Amino acid sequence: AQKVTQAQTEISVVEKEDVTLDCVYETRDTTYYLFWYKQPPSGELVFLIRRNSFDEQNEISGRYSWNFQKSTSSFNFTITASQVVDSAVYFCALSVLRAGNNRKLIWGLGTSLAVNP
Amino acid sequence: EAGVAQSPRYKIIEKRQSVAFWCNPISGHATLYWYQQILGQGPKLLIQFQNNGVVDDSQLPKDRFSAERLKGVDSTLKIQPAKLEDSAVYLCASSPGLVSRTDTQYFGPGTRLTVL
Repeated sequence: AQKVTQAQTEISVVEKEDVTLDCVYETRDTTYYLFWYKQPPSGELVFLIRRNSFDEQNEISGRYSWNFQKSTSSFNFTITASQVVDSAVYFCALSVLRAGNNRKLIWGLGTSLAVNP
Repeated sequence: EAGVAQSPRYKIIEKRQSVAFWCNPISGHATLYWYQQILGQGPKLLIQFQNNGVVDDSQLPKDRFSAERLKGVDSTLKIQPAKLEDSAVYLCASSPGLVSRTDTQYFGPGTRLTVL
């Protein structure tokens, strides 16, 4: 099976707390890509990061950081010192190769993050 | 660089009526996607175009949904007739390269459809 599991449906934190959003994936592909998107209340999906399966280096971008571990099939996302503007639904997605050399995104169900002042 | 444009942003219709959504992708992007997102769920791919050809429409309910990208640029998604279960956000996305590449998909603001 090829799937993405975001076990946390909703998370609520107080501003300035650190928060980690979990993403666990399953795939039979040896080459694959992982993504995180943010969906604020306005509805638009905003691209945050893309990681390929050969690059396990962690990434930091400002208050955002990502931890990719192939051994546990996880690609977790941490927000440091959270802010109210971080309130959104966050989606993890997996790009897999299908017949016809076509790639498709497999989406998790999303984690709704509420950052309270 | 302008992002993906969609219109309308909101639409309310009665069941059995018709509705059409429009999408203009980022300039030069070869691949265009239409997704349906029901509240509380992740996006579900309806149809994928590469230039003006359909690559994947396996999850498009073809008895009522249709889509076209005639000149390989903008695209229209139509529902005729609409059902209550079609109430959702319809998202358009585009990516630069061909479908065999794993380009990042960039999304428009979506159209929120309510069917009464």
